[in-house]
Amino acid sequence: NAGVTQTPKFQVLKTGQSMTLQCAQDMNHEYMSWYRQDPGMGLRLIHYSVGAGITDQGEVPNGYNVSRSTTEDFPLRLLSAAPSQTSVYFCASSGQAVGSPLHFGNGTRLTVT
Amino acid sequence: AQSVTQLDSHVSVSEGTPVLLRCNYSSSYSPSLFWYVQHPNKGLQLLLKYTSAATLVKGINGFEAEFKKSETSFHLTKPSAHMSDAAEYFCVVRVSGGYNKLIFGAGTRLAVHP
Repeated sequence: NAGVTQTPKFQVLKTGQSMTLQCAQDMNHEYMSWYRQDPGMGLRLIHYSVGAGITDQGEVPNGYNVSRSTTEDFPLRLLSAAPSQTSVYFCASSGQAVGSPLHFGNGTRLTVT
Repeated sequence: AQSVTQLDSHVSVSEGTPVLLRCNYSSSYSPSLFWYVQHPNKGLQLLLKYTSAATLVKGINGFEAEFKKSETSFHLTKPSAHMSDAAEYFCVVRVSGGYNKLIFGAGTRLAVHP
């Protein structure tokens, strides 16, 4: 009963490096999303997907790419890391029904130096 | 546009006393509203949700929230705080037509003292 699994748990990058944050869910959820959490700002939506092959931008998409080739996986790519991307990143998924609760992963803490 | 405002960034209570975490929302239609809780170094967990049924919503761990349209509020309460309630709480509104796109408040950190 894994739910939403995020890897890695921690990551340190240098400015300009690229990396991919992995997210996988085993609940056959159509909807998946990425949030970043910064102190005093709650969670802000980066990108989301309503099904395989379909993605869209959230509130703060700049500097991030996503793809959804399967229902299970929704990786988040940082193209050229910047210190402003230092944050905790959460992946979440849910069923299709309106008001379905989001199921969150345990987060990835990213530091960009 | 939908938004939520959590009126207190920090709330401190003694164990056994009532908890009140305040949330006001802005929405041009009848919203779906949620409260999520985040314990340290963990992901978020749904406490309760309002989706236009009963205005008093009961959640897990003894929490409840009342939807008041006239006051545009969705405050979270619990009659008696427990040490394990210490966490960060987020009030959340679902974006109209946005599938399950959610807008999060800035959060309220609840401290519970013995």
